[in-house]
Amino acid sequence: SQKIEQNSEALNIQEGKTATLTCNYTNYSPAYLQWYRQDPGRGPVFLLLIRENEKEKRKERLKVTFDTTLKQSLFHITASQPADSATYLCALVEGDYKLSFGAGTTVTVRA
Amino acid sequence: DGGITQSPKYLFRKEGQNVTLSCEQNLNHDAMYWYRQDPGQGLRLIYYSQIVNDFQKGDIAEGYSVSREKKESFPLTVTSAQKNPTAFYLCASSPKVQVLIGYTFGSGTRLTVV
Repeated sequence: SQKIEQNSEALNIQEGKTATLTCNYTNYSPAYLQWYRQDPGRGPVFLLLIRENEKEKRKERLKVTFDTTLKQSLFHITASQPADSATYLCALVEGDYKLSFGAGTTVTVRA
Repeated sequence: DGGITQSPKYLFRKEGQNVTLSCEQNLNHDAMYWYRQDPGQGLRLIYYSQIVNDFQKGDIAEGYSVSREKKESFPLTVTSAQKNPTAFYLCASSPKVQVLIGYTFGSGTRLTVV
């Protein structure tokens, strides 16, 4: 299985600023990479998928990049809001079905 | 509404007991999964099943067992052989090829050994 590393420290940002989260992996580049949001005591919720041949993907205020040379994905939340406060997980797709997850980065947006 | 239901939300186990966590989905998904989440660690795969009556071990299957007798149901038993069972357990499901839409997760069961 892949070793997946996300920012270990929590991210505290002011409302309106951009939060940038990092996901690094160590082995082969996966064909797909996914990002999930997890609220305390809840299961993760799927946000975005990016393919290895896509450099960037956007969904509303979210932007994901995927650099297979650096073995890294960046996740940006622009114009952040307090409601964006949560833990964000990256996941690498292995085969058709199996996901390997990072430990997540907790984001707190201050009003 | 379609979704995944996990029960109970909280479960307490005495030393030496087996306990079973329930997971039911009405999404008509073929594949189902059990993950364990510990503080500061990523989700770790315990077992997964792609079709009824078939399942495979994940990365940390020791001390756990599952069954898949119905498409909708994938219960997980935490046996007394699991030495450190206190954790947050998450069940998920997906279509057989899930890459484009991700997993759908339940709300989790928090298991505590007392």
